[in-house]
Amino acid sequence: QKEVEQDPGPLSVPEGAIVSLNCTYSNSAFQYFMWYRQYSRKGPELLMYTYSSGNKEDGRFTAQVDKSSKYISLFIRDSQPSDSATYLCAMSAVQGAQKLVFGQGTRLTINP
Amino acid sequence: GAVVSQHPSRVICKSGTSVKIECRSLDFQATTMFWYRQFPKKSLMLMATSNEGSKATYEQGVEKDKFLINHASLTLSTLTVTSAHPEDSSFYICSARGGTGENIQYFGAGTRLSVL
Repeated sequence: QKEVEQDPGPLSVPEGAIVSLNCTYSNSAFQYFMWYRQYSRKGPELLMYTYSSGNKEDGRFTAQVDKSSKYISLFIRDSQPSDSATYLCAMSAVQGAQKLVFGQGTRLTINP
Repeated sequence: GAVVSQHPSRVICKSGTSVKIECRSLDFQATTMFWYRQFPKKSLMLMATSNEGSKATYEQGVEKDKFLINHASLTLSTLTVTSAHPEDSSFYICSARGGTGENIQYFGAGTRLSVL
């Protein structure tokens, strides 16, 4: 079993829809949770960062962490064609080397 | 957010030559930098972790003599692919982590290496 599981998609939705992206994980030591957006042939761009549990909102993006279920989500409201990209969840523990463990990435397409 | 600059963005070289990729943190001091490799439609694979002034720590299966990493200052790390071969062709991405205590990595734009 992988430490982090993420549905690779592809996911295709119409413009304006609410998008829900999810990851599950198995390591209870994970405390840092991140969502990155990666456009084709570019480096990942940090979208959201959460420490421990809870929700965080930034504009059209909301990140949720449920540590009891080992489940994290990213919601995109009023999705735009420019949101079309691959979304990677990443997480790490507090102690030790603090390497990021990435999900496989979900390819998202927003259709005009 | 913090800015990480990676150069070059694209390089084509002949088999047997060496290629150097630079990674700079522009507006913060990076205590730790990371080098990743990404295959098409795949997630990022960590190659090595480098801390300023010390030797890099390589992941299992990554040849340290093949992929030389230098982290000489708090704002610059370099990856040199020595004696490159076609199988080294890939997308290489660096990231930098600041000294704020938070484990946030900021990524460069990546370097696409093609070895002929």
